[in-house]
Amino acid sequence: SAVISQKPSRDICQRGTSLTIQCQVDSQVTMMFWYRQQPGQSLTLIATANQGSEATYESGFVIDKFPISRPNLTFSTLTVSNMSPEDSSIYLCSGRDRGLNTEAFFGQGTRLTVV
Amino acid sequence: TQLLEQSPQFLSIQEGENLTVYCNSSSVFSSLQWYRQEPGEGPVLLVTVVTGGEVKKLKRLTFQFGDARKDSSLHITAAQPGDTGLYLCAGGHMNNNAGNMLTFGGGTRLMVKP
Repeated sequence: SAVISQKPSRDICQRGTSLTIQCQVDSQVTMMFWYRQQPGQSLTLIATANQGSEATYESGFVIDKFPISRPNLTFSTLTVSNMSPEDSSIYLCSGRDRGLNTEAFFGQGTRLTVV
Repeated sequence: TQLLEQSPQFLSIQEGENLTVYCNSSSVFSSLQWYRQEPGEGPVLLVTVVTGGEVKKLKRLTFQFGDARKDSSLHITAAQPGDTGLYLCAGGHMNNNAGNMLTFGGGTRLMVKP
């Protein structure tokens, strides 16, 4: 399976600022996704990052708050904009090939604390 | 919307005990995957089951896919502290707009005490 390098691994940010999280995959991957996770809980899908076009957002998540880029098949970024303490969470990127029943592989996660 | 209910949410057991985690849905899935996540890391795939009634074994872990492909179970025999982690089931299904997608269950936090 592919390896995803995600950075930063953690950050403490002031409210009102923005943070950009980067994910680099060591091989080309068809689909990339961004998730949010509270510690010890399941994953909530934020959006599907589409190469060369706008991301597809899930209900409750909007582009102005979570702009996503995917310039090629190995790289994606998620920005958490105008942060508030409610944005404190773990953010994970994931890659997966389009075939049926393929494995999802994940970055190490970014633990974000907004103060 | 396809939902996966996972139970129990939290399990604390002694080393050597057996346990079973369940993943249930009213929807049919093309596959069912199980992941384990340790603190500070992303989830890692343990197994994929694709055929109704399929059983797969991975050392002390036994995975089963229900006959109707709506549910799955993970059984751990003689649990060890190294089994501690968050276990996530994920059902594969087709989304008309996005292709083959995964829906994750709510997760089971397992703690195995020495």
